[in-house]
Amino acid sequence: DAAVTQKPRYLIKMKGQEAEMKCIPEKGHTAVFWYQQKQSKELKFLIYFQNQQPLDQIDMVKERFSAVCPSSSLCSLGIRTCEAEDSALYLCSSSQHSSYEQYFGPGTRLTVL
Amino acid sequence: GDSVTQTEGLVTLTEGLPVMLNCTYQTIYSNPFLFWYVQHLNESPRLLLKSFTDNKRTEHQGFHATLHKSSSSFHLQKSSAQLSDSALYYCALSYNQGKLIFGQGTKLSIKP
Repeated sequence: DAAVTQKPRYLIKMKGQEAEMKCIPEKGHTAVFWYQQKQSKELKFLIYFQNQQPLDQIDMVKERFSAVCPSSSLCSLGIRTCEAEDSALYLCSSSQHSSYEQYFGPGTRLTVL
Repeated sequence: GDSVTQTEGLVTLTEGLPVMLNCTYQTIYSNPFLFWYVQHLNESPRLLLKSFTDNKRTEHQGFHATLHKSSSSFHLQKSSAQLSDSALYYCALSYNQGKLIFGQGTKLSIKP
C-alpha cells in the first residue's frame, strides 16, 4: 500500500488561531488532494495540486485557507483564522500521474475550541 | 453538477447474509471512473474497488461491483458478510484524474 504521511495527527486550536497541517505524498506521486471529513460523514474535497500547482479548489479554501506544495515531497494546508465549524479530520491523498487511484494518509484531526 | 448518491445511511446485517450497498451517480462526462472506498473505525479511507468499463464486473477481497452506465449505477455486493466488514463505505466518482466526488457514505454494521 502507498504511504502518505500527515503531521500532526492531532491539533487543538482556539477560535481565531491559525492552524497548519502537513502532508508528505507517496514518493513519485505528482497529484495531491485535501479533503475534509466531519464526524465520519461525507468526504468534502478542498483543493488539488498537480506537480505542485493548484488546479482546483472550493470557494471556502480561497477565502479562509492557505495551501501550498513547495516541493514534490511536502504540502501544507493552513487555516488563517480557525472557527468551530473547522473541527474535522483533514485527509491528504496522493496519486501518480495518469492514475485515478488516490491513496490517503492517516489524517490530521483538528479540534477548534 | 456531478454527484454521487448512496441512499442507505446505515445497513445492519447478520453475519453470513449477502451485502448490497447502493450507489448511483450523475455526471456530464461519458467516461467517469467509479470507486468504492472503505473506512474502518479510526482509519483513513482505503480503495476497495474501481471501474471504468461499462458492464464489466470488478472484484476484490470478496466484494464485487459492476458499472452500469445505462442506469448510472455502481452497487457494491458481497455474497456473505463477515464481522470484519463492519465499516463506512463510500462510493466515489472521478474524471480527468482529478478530485474524488464522494457519496454520503453507508455505515455497514454486521452482527453475529
